[in-house]
Amino acid sequence: QQQVKQSPQSLIVQKGGISIINCAYENTAFDYFPWYQQFPGKGPALLIAIRPDVSEKKEGRFTISFNKSAKQFSLHIMDSQPGDSATYFCAASNESASKIIFGSGTRLSIRP
Amino acid sequence: SAVISQKPSRDICQRGTSLTIQCQVDSQVTMMFWYRQQPGQSLTLIATANQGSEATYESGFVIDKFPISRPNLTFSTLTVSNMSPEDSSIYLCSVVHMDSYEQYFGPGTRLTVT
Repeated sequence: QQQVKQSPQSLIVQKGGISIINCAYENTAFDYFPWYQQFPGKGPALLIAIRPDVSEKKEGRFTISFNKSAKQFSLHIMDSQPGDSATYFCAASNESASKIIFGSGTRLSIRP
Repeated sequence: SAVISQKPSRDICQRGTSLTIQCQVDSQVTMMFWYRQQPGQSLTLIATANQGSEATYESGFVIDKFPISRPNLTFSTLTVSNMSPEDSSIYLCSVVHMDSYEQYFGPGTRLTVT
């Protein structure tokens, strides 16, 4: 019940295309859903996050879509650029625990 | 956001020895965590570092192996004790600010045990 399932494991997208990464959760107590971006040799960096009271959040080229009834959320990267090539982790937590449960990660490669 | 530093950034250690990793934050934070990340893998929570009291460990992690200290709101240490090659990993400190859910990560410590 504590798992966050992430797919795909790896993704290759052409420059300018849309990258889509999907996650699903089971614990309905989760109320905070962040996405992290990690470059090789670096710690994960908070990219964007959403709470379940909204269905979408957009920051620049990055959008989170959230479907509370299906217990699914996804990250969309518009106009993908080679600099977006990194590993992306979805995650979930709840206020009382504050512990973040991470998905397994998606290695994204943007082809020039 | 928070600026988090970790020392050392990397180390190569002999089997059976111990290494202490330091985590320093530039502002007061409510919660500090220690994670482990195997190469190419996701992050696994080791423990929550509690100020002035014993850390709260996740299943599979014990205090004798991973003693943690947090003497104040901006500093914590993680010791990896009696190391074996299986302890080779990246160890990450993370923090949660006082007024948000947002969790930030340090740059990590890359540990290799030979």
